[in-house]
Amino acid sequence: EDQVTQSPEALRLQEGESSSLNCSYTVSGLRGLFWYRQDPGKGPEFLFTLYSAGEEKEKERLKATLTKKESFLHITAPKPEDSATYLCAVQATGYQKVTFGTGTKLQVIP
Amino acid sequence: GAVVSQHPSWVICKSGTSVKIECRSLDFQATTMFWYRQFPKQSLMLMATSNEGSKATYEQGVEKDKFLINHASLTLSTLTVTSAHPEDSSFYICSAREAGYGYTFGSGTRLTVV
Repeated sequence: EDQVTQSPEALRLQEGESSSLNCSYTVSGLRGLFWYRQDPGKGPEFLFTLYSAGEEKEKERLKATLTKKESFLHITAPKPEDSATYLCAVQATGYQKVTFGTGTKLQVIP
Repeated sequence: GAVVSQHPSWVICKSGTSVKIECRSLDFQATTMFWYRQFPKQSLMLMATSNEGSKATYEQGVEKDKFLINHASLTLSTLTVTSAHPEDSSFYICSAREAGYGYTFGSGTRLTVV
């Protein structure tokens, strides 16, 4: 069974203080790993898809990386508007189902 | 990019009544849509996969007679919570995928059964 574990559960950063969120996964064969941002009371907002180890993607202050066992979401010089819950999910090859982690709740303090 | 519209955003209903939630793909056709449920401080749990023109595929432990899914067109899937009870109160979210994009989610529906 596919498993996704995210750490830490919660992270509090000062504005400008860079950090990384971790997503460890177990999947029979990785078709894709996804990162989403979710604001309270809203649906997840798509950030990145990573397909193979070594792949990296960037968007503004966010950079996602992927290894064979985990993915990192690096946040560089975060701003208060980056505060949200960040979700990681995986999809196994041959399956449509996407398995989500429980997320990391990020709070960026001015 | 792909946009998924979900309505209503919140609904309050009396115990024993049924509630219908709509999920529409805008500007793209979705042969498959997904319905999730999310409890506070928990992850998204896949309830079922909705396939256009055929029966939905439910995840283990999800009552298909309670959570009716209809995918009558390539842009619309509906989830009906039948005979709702307080324990059905939750945040329900749909998603779809357009070729070339990741899975796009609707804005979610907060269901409260009183």
